Amino acid sequence: DVKVTQSSRYLVKRTGEKVFLECVQDMDHENMFWYRQDPGLGLRLIYFSYDVKMKEKGDIPEGYSVSREKKERFSLILESASTNQTSMYLCASSLPGESSYEQYFGPGTRLTVT
Amino acid sequence: EDKVVQSPLSLVVHEGDTVTLNCSYEVTNFRSLLWYKQEKKAPTFLFMLTSSGIEKKSGRLSSILDKKELFSILNITATQTGDSAVYLCAVEDDTNAGKSTFGDGTTLTVKP
Repeated sequence: DVKVTQSSRYLVKRTGEKVFLECVQDMDHENMFWYRQDPGLGLRLIYFSYDVKMKEKGDIPEGYSVSREKKERFSLILESASTNQTSMYLCASSLPGESSYEQYFGPGTRLTVT
Repeated sequence: EDKVVQSPLSLVVHEGDTVTLNCSYEVTNFRSLLWYKQEKKAPTFLFMLTSSGIEKKSGRLSSILDKKELFSILNITATQTGDSAVYLCAVEDDTNAGKSTFGDGTTLTVKP
């Protein structure tokens, strides 16, 4: 079974702090994704990555950056956390290629910025 | 910009009822449509649809895609309380293979 893990289930940070959210997958997937999920707004893509050291902006990249130094690890960085970044953050991974593959999600990190 | 709209936003039914969840989409280059079920934690995969008119079935759940009218439905027959969840629809864009756009989800509550 594919396993996607996220470093924290719950996180509370102060405005202006730098925040790292880590995601690790154990199935050698090339594609990895970061989403945030908010009531009434659904799942929105922040950044995704096709391979090590590659990154692409999603629909709402502002205020975030990412790092993919190793294939299994995809980090989301909030350089200076703000209260409007309070949300549930979900990481996902999938296989790449010409065929379509479903995404496997981690358990989520609920981030509160005070 | 790709767009996915799900309806209804929420639904309350009783055990044994049949429900139909709707997903309409706009996507530049369609690759696939996926349905996920999300309970308290992360979404889990249900179906992937790529061709029109071919029903995918898993137990009491089934889904079909209409690429001409740009929508999909997810049917659940003989609902059970364990079907209570948020059901998410996503479309994958072929120009950015692997990138999916999600709808807001339909919250289904099944009462005993």
